[in-house]
Amino acid sequence: DGGITQSPKYLFRKEGQNVTLSCEQNLNHDAMYWYRQDPGQGLRLIYYSQIVNDFQKGDIAEGYSVSREKKESFPLTVTSAQKNPTAFYLCASQQGTNAYEQYFGPGTRLTVT
Amino acid sequence: AQSVTQLDSHVSVSEGTPVLLRCNYSSSYSPSLFWYVQHPNKGLQLLLKYTSAATLVKGINGFEAEFKKSETSFHLTKPSAHMSDAAEYFCAVSGMGTYKYIFGTGTRLKVLA
Repeated sequence: DGGITQSPKYLFRKEGQNVTLSCEQNLNHDAMYWYRQDPGQGLRLIYYSQIVNDFQKGDIAEGYSVSREKKESFPLTVTSAQKNPTAFYLCASQQGTNAYEQYFGPGTRLTVT
Repeated sequence: AQSVTQLDSHVSVSEGTPVLLRCNYSSSYSPSLFWYVQHPNKGLQLLLKYTSAATLVKGINGFEAEFKKSETSFHLTKPSAHMSDAAEYFCAVSGMGTYKYIFGTGTRLKVLA
């Protein structure tokens, strides 16, 4: 089946530690995205990538980093510089520009204590 | 600049009654508009999309939405609510030639037995 996988589903870390969230897609989509979701705030864009080896900051990139070495993979690292990392993180992919819908993974809930 | 406003953060309906979830948008270009549904702790699933074809768009699970340019609205409706419709719904807008979506803050739909 084609789709997007995110792992793990739940992740727990101590404050001060970096953590990497995995996102893999087998839809052959060029574009991939990372969103953060907090209650009452909808989805906020962290980073996106239109093509391999290229990515752009979204609205809330501070404290996060990404890489796009392969078309299928777009991992997100939450660094210790992110002040409020506890959130639900969603990865998505898209075939092209605006007329195409985004396909979402099941999400990773990160809890930092 | 693009934006989207979901006018209600919470909507409650009785099972079997109509559903109306409201979304207004702002876009400098001819927009593409989307409605997504999210069940708890899950990713988002596309319900329907408008991409400058027919203004009345039919989606999955009996939902539909009408694009009204004069009112800059894209409201989501369903004739008869089902208990399984209880979820959070997001409206999103994307503009010409862009990879970025702008999501609304979501409307939580509650269906009463």
